Amino acid sequence: SELTQDPAVSVALGQTVRITCQGDSLRNYYVSWYQQKPGQAPVLVMYARDNRPSGIPDRYSGSRSGSTAALTIIGAQAEDEAEYYCSSRDSTGDLLVFGGGTMLTVL
Amino acid sequence: QITLKESGPTLVKPTQTLTLTCTFSGFSLSTSGVGVGWIRQPPGKALEWLAVIYWDDDQRYSPSLKSRLTVTKDTSANQVVLTMTNMDPEDTATYYCAHKPDYYDSNMNVWGTGTTVTVTS
Repeated sequence: SELTQDPAVSVALGQTVRITCQGDSLRNYYVSWYQQKPGQAPVLVMYARDNRPSGIPDRYSGSRSGSTAALTIIGAQAEDEAEYYCSSRDSTGDLLVFGGGTMLTVL
Repeated sequence: QITLKESGPTLVKPTQTLTLTCTFSGFSLSTSGVGVGWIRQPPGKALEWLAVIYWDDDQRYSPSLKSRLTVTKDTSANQVVLTMTNMDPEDTATYYCAHKPDYYDSNMNVWGTGTTVTVTS
């Protein structure tokens, strides 16, 4: 995959967690973030680096620095436990790619 | 309210051709910038982008699957069809279609519930 994510991250309830996504194409293109819970379709939680779709809590925020994008959850809740995928355009700009996903565990 | 729903066979045999239909409502594929994407997810594995078709019939495909994929649209019927040839057990996955509201941004903001396809003889 052209986008690299840590396979797993954990956070204590109420604490802050940062999920990262690395790829050269992120220098030029915005990242999208999706949350997927078991047995469910993915849900868009962040796009165009730091835009939240309607209904997504404001504890979610996005950022980018160089070739690394991040999804930050401030005050993680039990319901935030899920798999998170980043997505962006590939290095050519013509195609889409997903990262390998990060499993977030809320302790 | 935008909704999408995937339909098609749940079982296919190796070497057969898979045809999946995405039927949507709440938007038009004749609107400038709009697209419909296809994504799949093998059991226990990551999401994999397959293809996208845009309002102007521009089609893009995953390089690793390009030779096997075709995506078409029927704007008046609000449907997008994905065809994948020469199916293999490794193609066993849940297949999703999704609304892509902006040609220039990667986000797909509404997804179907997915349809599970098993490839087995």
